[in-house]
Amino acid sequence: GAGVSQSPRYKVAKRGQDVALRCDPISGHVSLFWYQQALGQGPEFLTYFQNEAQLDKSGLPSDRFFAERPEGSVSTLKIQRTQQEDSAVYLCASSPWGGHQETQYFGPGTRLLVL
Amino acid sequence: QQPVQSPQAVILREGEDAVINCSSSKALYSVHWYRQKHGEAPVFLMILLKGGEQKGHEKISASFNEKKQQSSLYLTASQLSYSGTYFCGTEGGSGSARQLTFGSGTQLTVLP
Repeated sequence: GAGVSQSPRYKVAKRGQDVALRCDPISGHVSLFWYQQALGQGPEFLTYFQNEAQLDKSGLPSDRFFAERPEGSVSTLKIQRTQQEDSAVYLCASSPWGGHQETQYFGPGTRLLVL
Repeated sequence: QQPVQSPQAVILREGEDAVINCSSSKALYSVHWYRQKHGEAPVFLMILLKGGEQKGHEKISASFNEKKQQSSLYLTASQLSYSGTYFCGTEGGSGSARQLTFGSGTQLTVLP
């Protein structure tokens, strides 16, 4: 079956531009996560949705970062007025239910480079 | 708090064994192991649950010591395809949080 897909795979932005990153989770998966992965590091949590509800956004680094999942399926991570420190790979993951101890399935990520 | 992984890097010959360790300072619901190749998505390997249950997709074994909040991933008779960076992700044992907190990774290289 289809896995988690993300688009675009690569994005180059000039400092100050706004970007939007899309995530299509596995069909029917309730939970959706966004992570940020810097070069040579493990993924770091940004935000978490259960259906359309954003239950945790404690990992968003600033108010320039905004995520939504209006219909409980596709999610968009938006970064306003991008800065060079925003350059990273943004990973999306989904899991079937909203419970603990669930496997999270990752997408290939969007590699963002801010010049 | 980020779990601590060791070693940071390991180089093996095909057919050799390796152990990767992951240690947390807090109580855990579960430990998740992933392998990531350069430019690709992290691929799920194994989940170890509080209470002892173990679930995985590949012939790779792991252990979870709940008292010590430590997990180890055992790679036996390594193959070239095992090369990549291994991450442990921990799910905290309190509150409603579902997100994983990842270690900084162990880079595994298998040589022919």
